[in-house]
Amino acid sequence: ELKVEQNPLFLSMQEGKNYTIYCNYSTTSDRLYWYRQDPGKSLESLFVLLSNGAVKQEGRLMASLDTKARLSTLHITAAVHDLSATYFCAVASQETSGSRLTFGEGTQLTVNP
Amino acid sequence: GAVVSQHPSRVICKSGTSVKIECRSLDFQATTMFWYRQFPKKSLMLMATSNEGSKATYEQGVEKDKFLINHASLTLSTLTVTSAHPEDSSFYICSAILLAANIQYFGAGTRLSVL
Repeated sequence: ELKVEQNPLFLSMQEGKNYTIYCNYSTTSDRLYWYRQDPGKSLESLFVLLSNGAVKQEGRLMASLDTKARLSTLHITAAVHDLSATYFCAVASQETSGSRLTFGEGTQLTVNP
Repeated sequence: GAVVSQHPSRVICKSGTSVKIECRSLDFQATTMFWYRQFPKKSLMLMATSNEGSKATYEQGVEKDKFLINHASLTLSTLTVTSAHPEDSSFYICSAILLAANIQYFGAGTRLSVL
């Protein structure tokens, strides 16, 4: 059974600071996703990481994937209040249907002025 | 703009009634759609995989007769919560896969409140 663990689950940070959210998964995967969810809203796709060493950046967010370590990171640079949201990583397992995603518990990020 | 449309966004119903939620892929065909349930401040729990033209595949612990799924066309899947009870109150989210982009797009979600 594929397990996906995120940490931290709760993150409160000051504007302008940097921080990293970690996503560990238990079995081989060829795709990892990062999503953002605002309160009461659905999920917004942020990044799709498809290969070992993949790095993608959008604005103040950068995601990377290390398939050997089964680890993905979401790095936040110079945080701003608008980044406050819950961030989920999700992994598609090679052992099951390639489209089936297993989600991490989510990291609730609060950026304080 | 949204690539997956989910309707309705909010439903309040009496206990014992049935509620239908629609999920449509816009501008692309989706042979596979997914239905998730999310409790407050929790992660998404996959309920079932909806396959066009065939029976849905349900996750362990999800009652097939309680949560009826129909995927009659390449752009539409429906989830019907039958004889809803207060414990069925939750946020339900559907998704569809855009194969060309290898991305799973999510609908806006449906908040179901059963009184």
